[in-house]
Amino acid sequence: DIQMTQSPSTLSASVGDRVTITCRASQSISNWLAWYQQRPGNAPKLLIYKASTLESGVPSRFSGSGSGTEFTLTISSLQPDDFASYYCQQFNSFPWTFGQGTKVDIK
Amino acid sequence: EVQLEQSGAEVKKPGESLKISCKASGYKFTSYWIGWVRQLPGKGLEWMGIRYAGDSDTRYSPSFQGQVTISVDNSINTAYLQWTSLKASDTAMYYCARMINCGGDLCAFDMWGQGTMVTVSS
Repeated sequence: DIQMTQSPSTLSASVGDRVTITCRASQSISNWLAWYQQRPGNAPKLLIYKASTLESGVPSRFSGSGSGTEFTLTISSLQPDDFASYYCQQFNSFPWTFGQGTKVDIK
Repeated sequence: EVQLEQSGAEVKKPGESLKISCKASGYKFTSYWIGWVRQLPGKGLEWMGIRYAGDSDTRYSPSFQGQVTISVDNSINTAYLQWTSLKASDTAMYYCARMINCGGDLCAFDMWGQGTMVTVSS
């Protein structure tokens, strides 16, 4: 199985900060990576797919980059709605696997 | 509007069977794959499996193969996740989610149900 490792596990930040979350794959996954946001008590929401394609309706402050084994999710200016957990997921090969998650909380 | 409406919370005893549902609306059900994701209390997301609603093609994560069954009823645009013998360790939130296709390959879950909480306790 492909292991997905996110860092950091927790991130404390303030409104307006630039935030970067990293996701590393245990082997190359090309660009078959998606990012999700999950607010407490809610279902996950798709933000980015194919590593860098912004899902329709997602604010442009979210961006994704990377290929192969290293990927990043960047929030250019953190907003109050963005305090949540973020997960990456690889779709390169079965079984599809998620990262363990990164919680973004208020500093 | 695309929606996935899941059935309500369940409380069951170990050894009991269960089938939870996910009713789709707002899109052509049989043209998409639909999947299930588990979230243990306070933990991360785990991919369980997917089913193409247009035929019987089903893929399971090895962690869930033989433990659950994913099925669909195209006449009512509904997907199901079922257990024949629940364990306490099955206590979790379960999400259904629709898959999108990126140039011929499945590449993300774009729409999610609200989740069904399953509690297994004696």
